[in-house]
Amino acid sequence: KAGVTQTPRYLIKTRGQQVTLSCSPISGHRSVSWYQQTPGQGLQFLFEYFSETQRNKGNFPGRFSGRQFSNSRSEMNVSTLELGDSALYLCASSLVPGLAEDTQYFGPGTRLTVL
Amino acid sequence: AQSVAQPEDQVNVAEGNPLTVKCTYSVSGNPYLFWYVQYPNRGLQFLLKYITGDNLVKGSYGFEAEFNKSQTSFHLKKPSALVSDSALYFCAVRDRSSYGQNFVFGPGTRLSVLP
Repeated sequence: KAGVTQTPRYLIKTRGQQVTLSCSPISGHRSVSWYQQTPGQGLQFLFEYFSETQRNKGNFPGRFSGRQFSNSRSEMNVSTLELGDSALYLCASSLVPGLAEDTQYFGPGTRLTVL
Repeated sequence: AQSVAQPEDQVNVAEGNPLTVKCTYSVSGNPYLFWYVQYPNRGLQFLLKYITGDNLVKGSYGFEAEFNKSQTSFHLKKPSALVSDSALYFCAVRDRSSYGQNFVFGPGTRLSVLP
């Protein structure tokens, strides 16, 4: 079974631009979560989607948004990029949303560099 | 609120020796606990999880972890370290009663296995 895929793997943008990242979950998984990973802040939860609805949201500004499609694929968007948005953005999928014992499986991430 | 501590930023061990990566947690209820490993420029790979039952959990690549409720710990162990085990290790927790809550990750511990 194919794992979680994320595209693109690498992105370079300049301040003020916007960016869209894509995530395809493991087949059959319907919940998708997004995380930001930086050396200073570690892994921080962005949001979780299930059935095209945002179920949970972390403590990030409104410039960070996401959506999920009917095939469970998800996108996240960051508008008006800032230098501090440079990070590895990780997508994770799980089978049963909201079930605490359910394992999240991660994609390889998208490395975003903001210049 | 949930939290995870990994008291060591870095652990060095010689190849063939046993390794331990420490994790302590705090949740209001009972925990589900997870270990993930991250290799350079990769996403997180699931190693093992504690749900209930036996306090010693066995996982991928020869890793195991011991759940200790009284010490609120979930240390990752391996009897004989390999150079290829060198990576960044993350402990994560979810409260059993927290329907819809996201994972909380520790800051990570960098393991270096020296030949």
